[in-house]
Amino acid sequence: KAGVTQTPRYLIKTRGQQVTLSCSPISGHRSVSWYQQTPGQGLQFLFEYFSETQRNKGNFPGRFSGRQFSNSRSEMNVSTLELGDSALYLCASSSEGEGEKLFFGSGTQLSVL
Amino acid sequence: QQPVQSPQAVILREGEDAVINCSSSKALYSVHWYRQKHGEAPVFLMILLKGGEQKGHDKISASFNEKKQQSSLYLTASQLSYSGTYFCGTPVYSGGGADGLTFGKGTHLIIQP
Repeated sequence: KAGVTQTPRYLIKTRGQQVTLSCSPISGHRSVSWYQQTPGQGLQFLFEYFSETQRNKGNFPGRFSGRQFSNSRSEMNVSTLELGDSALYLCASSSEGEGEKLFFGSGTQLSVL
Repeated sequence: QQPVQSPQAVILREGEDAVINCSSSKALYSVHWYRQKHGEAPVFLMILLKGGEQKGHDKISASFNEKKQQSSLYLTASQLSYSGTYFCGTPVYSGGGADGLTFGKGTHLIIQP
């Protein structure tokens, strides 16, 4: 079974731009969650989607948004990028059959200049 | 609310034992443990459920004290492969159930030969 795939692996943007990150979950997994990882704050929960519905959202500004498609693939969008948005963005998928165990992708490293 | 991990970092010699603690100000129903090696995605270690048994994974085990709202991860006779950052996570609940995890800032574990 293929793991969680995130694209692109690296991204460099400038302040004010917007960015879209993509995540393909493990086949059969319907839940996808997103996390922001920085050295200072560690892993912070962004949001979680299940069957195209956002079920929960972390404490991030409205510039951070996401969506999930019918094939469970998910995208995350950040508009009006700020320097502080530089981080590793991790996507994780999970299956009801495996409880709350998360399978993480390798992440997208976003640098905002 | 983010769980609090201690210590922030540990340096051990191969074969020594370590304990990593995770505490929460909120009532805990489950605690999740993940390990992340440098440049890699976090990998699931174990889940401890309220009222459940102490879990084990090779020579890594964990306990869950519901009264104290904390969990401890025990690494016995540490091996070089145990090096990495250990995160504990607690569920983020919405009206429908647990959707995503909120993680502690991590404990950096370095095992020296």
